[in-house]
Amino acid sequence: DTEVTQTPKHLVMGMTNKKSLKCEQHMGHRAMYWYKQKAKKPPELMFVYSYEKLSINESVPSRFSPECPNSSLLNLHLHALQPEDSALYLCASSQEPGRGAKNIQYFGAGTRLSVL
Amino acid sequence: AQTVTQSQPEMSVQEAETVTLSCTYDTSESDYYLFWYKQPPSRQMILVIRQEAYKQQNATENRFSVNFQKAAKSFSLKISDSQLGDAAMYFCAYRSGGGSEKLVFGKGTKLTVNP
Repeated sequence: DTEVTQTPKHLVMGMTNKKSLKCEQHMGHRAMYWYKQKAKKPPELMFVYSYEKLSINESVPSRFSPECPNSSLLNLHLHALQPEDSALYLCASSQEPGRGAKNIQYFGAGTRLSVL
Repeated sequence: AQTVTQSQPEMSVQEAETVTLSCTYDTSESDYYLFWYKQPPSRQMILVIRQEAYKQQNATENRFSVNFQKAAKSFSLKISDSQLGDAAMYFCAYRSGGGSEKLVFGKGTKLTVNP
């Protein structure tokens, strides 16, 4: 089972709203990732959590705030977003972080975000 | 920095036939991992196949196989007996075995399967 579940599937929000994206995995994976994907482009890494601690932040604006409450759950809190933040947001997880053979990333189906 | 190049923005294949998607990469490392991901219109990125650089044997997964040419830095994906469900965007990705843990993606190849 390599299932990563993301909710909601679609989200429309205004620039003054606060919303959250949720990602869950029950595979016992200890690394979780947030990616942003614009249309017809590859995913771009935003954040990495290793053993529930933030290990990589790819200089993402502070209007995106990640949170990892436990090893199975990853949230992305959104506040004061801009229309250019509209994209597909993908979550991924891997058995272990780092550079070894166990860092094989499995992705969720994503949340399609539209900022009006 | 490592780069991944997919030179075919779009490809098409007839159902039941074979198609090969190209991927080249640039690295000075000897320890690394290569991946092919498939992203159908349903959006989920699905791992198709992976290859460890230290393994000389080409990886296979059912109808999917790779031709890994380490010296040429080439990692092509062959899809045999193509099915309508194979239609998707295919991304080639690289990950260092000793440096950054980040996945480096190519720009993708959109595969159309014609009935």
